[in-house]
Amino acid sequence: EAGVTQSPTHLIKTRGQQVTLRCSPISGHTSVYWYQQALGLGLQFLLWYDEGEERNRGNFPPRFSGRQFPNYSSELNVNALELEDSALYLCASSLALDGDSYEQYFGPGTRLTVT
Amino acid sequence: AQSVAQPEDQVNVAEGNPLTVKCTYSVSGNPYLFWYVQYPNRGLQFLLKYITGDNLVKGSYGFEAEFNKSQTSFHLKKPSALVSDSALYFCAVRDSDSWGKFQFGAGTQVVVTP
Repeated sequence: EAGVTQSPTHLIKTRGQQVTLRCSPISGHTSVYWYQQALGLGLQFLLWYDEGEERNRGNFPPRFSGRQFPNYSSELNVNALELEDSALYLCASSLALDGDSYEQYFGPGTRLTVT
Repeated sequence: AQSVAQPEDQVNVAEGNPLTVKCTYSVSGNPYLFWYVQYPNRGLQFLLKYITGDNLVKGSYGFEAEFNKSQTSFHLKKPSALVSDSALYFCAVRDSDSWGKFQFGAGTQVVVTP
């Protein structure tokens, strides 16, 4: 069974630019989560999508956005990049939350560097 | 509001000795608690979770964790550490009233020496 995949692996952007990161969940998983892992800060919750809808978001500005497609893959968009956006962006997928809380399966991440 | 704390940045243990990684949490509802491990150059992997039921939860690779409601803790333990257990460990919590919004701790680096 294929795991969670993310693309690209690495990305270098200039401040002010826009970036799109992509994630494909494990087959059968309908929930996709995005996290930011900045150096020394642990994982910060960004967004949660389930069945094509944004269900919850963390304490990030609106320039962080995304969407989930009918095949449950997802994109994370970051506009007006700032230097502090440099981080590892992790995508995770899980079965839907139906009164229980399922573990998440993580992708390898996209390393974004903003110069 | 929910929060999670891992009070130790690093834990050092000799191979064969017991390993404990501490985690405390704060939630307004009931906690859903998880442990994940991040090996070098590899993604986060699920170890175990507590949702309800027995306070002692057994997981992958011989790890277990004990849910203590009065102390709001969910410490990760392994009776006999291996060098291969050296990794970054994350505790995560979700408040039962906060769907999908998981709070991760800052992580604890475990170093197991031969």
